[in-house]
Amino acid sequence: EIVLTQSPATLSLSPGERATLSCRASQSVSSYLAWYQQKPGQAPRLLIYDASNRATGIPARFSGSGSGTDFTLTISSLEPEDFAVYYCQQRSNWFTFGPGTKVDIK
Amino acid sequence: EVQLVESGGGLVQPGGSLKLSCAASGFTFSGSAMHWVRQASGKGLEWVGRIRSKANSYATAYAASVKGRFTISRDDSKNTAYLQMNSLKTEDTAVYYCTRQYPGHNWFDPWGQGTLVTVSS
Repeated sequence: EIVLTQSPATLSLSPGERATLSCRASQSVSSYLAWYQQKPGQAPRLLIYDASNRATGIPARFSGSGSGTDFTLTISSLEPEDFAVYYCQQRSNWFTFGPGTKVDIK
Repeated sequence: EVQLVESGGGLVQPGGSLKLSCAASGFTFSGSAMHWVRQASGKGLEWVGRIRSKANSYATAYAASVKGRFTISRDDSKNTAYLQMNSLKTEDTAVYYCTRQYPGHNWFDPWGQGTLVTVSS
C-alpha cells in the first residue's frame, strides 16, 4: 500500500498570505496525485488532478506541482473561504489519501 | 447539474447489516465507475471500494478492511449505486460518501453529501 504523508498537520495563516502544503508518497506515484478541499460538514471537492491540473471552476490561486514522491499545493493568496482541510490522494496503486492539512485562521 | 445523493444510513448493532444507496443525475451514469469513500468523525478519508461500468464487466474492488463483508452493486436503469454492508463492526462507524470516477481524468468528482452509519449496541 502506498502511504501518503502530509505536512504540516496544521497551517495557521492570515487572509492574503501564501499557503504551501506538502504531500509525500512512500513510493513513486508518477503524476497520479490529486488534491481535495473539505470544509466542515461538507463533502470533499476536487481541486487539482494529475499533480498540476486545476479542476473545473477552481480559481487560479490554487496550483499544484511535483511528481514521483514529492508534491506541493500552493494557494497564492488566501481568501476567507479557503480555510479548510486539504487532502492529497494517489491512484497509482489503488487509492489512498493523506491524513490532511488543516489551514486555519491565524 | 451533476449530482449524487446518498441515503440509507442509520444506527445498526454490531454484526448487523445495512444497505446504502447513491442516486445519480446530470451525467451518463452507466458509463462511469462509482466509488464509496468513508470518513470517521474527525478523521481522514478512507477508500472503501468501487464498481466499474458494464463495458468493464461491472468489476468490483474493495479495501482490505471491508473485503468479504461489503458488496458494491449498481442498477444502471435506476442510475443508482449501492453499498451492502454486512457483519458491521463499531469501527465501520463513519460518514459514507459515493463519488464518481470522472471519465477522462479518472479522479473523484463530484461527491455526494454523505450518509452517516453508526454501529453501536
